[in-house]
Amino acid sequence: GNSVTQMEGPVTLSEEAFLTINCTYTATGYPSLFWYVQYPGEGLQLLLKATKADDKGSNKGFEATYRKETTSFHLEKGSVQVSDSAVYFCALSVNNFNKFYFGSGTKLNVKP
Amino acid sequence: EAQVTQNPRYLITVTGKKLTVTCSQNMNHEYMSWYRQDPGLGLRQIYYSMNVEVTDKGDVPEGYKVSRKEKRNFPLILESPSPNQTSLYFCASRVTSNQPQHFGDGTRLSIL
Repeated sequence: GNSVTQMEGPVTLSEEAFLTINCTYTATGYPSLFWYVQYPGEGLQLLLKATKADDKGSNKGFEATYRKETTSFHLEKGSVQVSDSAVYFCALSVNNFNKFYFGSGTKLNVKP
Repeated sequence: EAQVTQNPRYLITVTGKKLTVTCSQNMNHEYMSWYRQDPGLGLRQIYYSMNVEVTDKGDVPEGYKVSRKEKRNFPLILESPSPNQTSLYFCASRVTSNQPQHFGDGTRLSIL
């Protein structure tokens, strides 16, 4: 079947620290992979995506590389800011992007 | 302004009383989806629609119905709500299958 597993939170970091949030997946076929971010009281927003193996998605200083050999899509940022505090969801899509599967979310707290 | 609008934002109701959560988008998007968000489980897809009169089941469709009579609207219907449907619900739309989803702000349902 299809599923996404991401590291449990919360993750608490100081401003300017390096961030890694782990995400691994199982999928039938060749999925596309996504990271979404959810700020308090809001819906999800797409942060970045990768549609094939070895693709790197990047946006706002965040990066993730589609690793087929390890079935992973880890999110990284070199220097986090307080404004990055949110819940981050890893997701995959199959069936021509019609079906989506999300991880359980990782809450990030960044302290000044 | 591009928007996905859900109503109501909050609802407390009782078991068995039919309810409808409306979703409307003003972007002429073809693709729409409904998700529920539960702690520790992330988002799970309930139903999706690829166009008017074209809908299909997501991962957790039991107890829900949808309709897509017009492109802009995609209501979620709970014919006989039960307490296990207490959740945070999100509607999302996108212009084509491989474009980012735009999420509404969510509807918090409590079924007593």
